[in-house]
Amino acid sequence: QLQLQESGPGLVKPSETLSLTCTVSGGSISSSSYYWGWIRQPPGKGLEWIGSIYYSGSTYYNPSLKSRVTISVDTSKNQFSLKLSSVTAADTAVYYCARHHYDIRTWGQGTMVTVSS
Amino acid sequence: EIVLTQSPGTLSLSPGERATLSCRASQSVSSSYLAWYQQKPGQAPRLLIYGASSRATGIPDRFSGSGSGTDFTLTISRLEPEDFAVYYCQQYGSSPGLTFGGGTKVEIK
Repeated sequence: QLQLQESGPGLVKPSETLSLTCTVSGGSISSSSYYWGWIRQPPGKGLEWIGSIYYSGSTYYNPSLKSRVTISVDTSKNQFSLKLSSVTAADTAVYYCARHHYDIRTWGQGTMVTVSS
Repeated sequence: EIVLTQSPGTLSLSPGERATLSCRASQSVSSSYLAWYQQKPGQAPRLLIYGASSRATGIPDRFSGSGSGTDFTLTISRLEPEDFAVYYCQQYGSSPGLTFGGGTKVEIK
C-alpha cells in the first residue's frame, strides 16, 4: 500500500526558506503516470494547492506562489521535495504531500510548519 | 483560473437528517475532474467522490455526488455521527493544477 511521509523543520524564521521532503513507500515515484504534489492548510482555514511534479519531471505551480516555490524529485531515494523561499507568517500551515491525478487518493499525514522568529 | 464556491459555509443538522452541500464553479468544469473530500480535525482529507459522482473505495452509499458544468452537489442521505466534518470540493485544471473550494462544515445541531 502506497504511503507518503513528510519531514522537515517545524519552525522556520521569517525571510528564510522552508524545506520539506516527502518519502514515498510501497511504490516507485517514477513508475506511474501520477503527479506528486504539495498542498497546505493554514490553521483553521481551507486547502491550498502549492504545486506538483509529474513523474516525467515537469513541474506545475500555483500562480500565486510560483515565484517562491521549487519542487524537485530524487528518484534514487524515492522522495520529492518542496522549497518555499522568503517565508512570512502567512506561510504558517500544515503541509501535506500527496499523489494525484484528477483527484487525490493518497495523502501524507501532514506536517505543521510555523514561521516565527 | 477557476474559482470554486461552496455553500453553505456551515450546515447545522441532526443525525439521521439529509445534508446537501453545493459547489459552484466560476467556469464550466469537466465532470471527470470534480472531486469531494471529507476532513476531520487533525486528519488529512479523505477522498469521497471522484468524477463528480463515483464513490471512492470504501465510501458508504449514503454519500452521493451529482452535477455538471458549473453546479455540483454532495448529498449525505442520512447523517451518521461520524459524518460531522468539513467537506471540500476540488477540481483539476488544465494548467494543470488543483483548486479547492472553501469548505462546508457539517456540525451537529
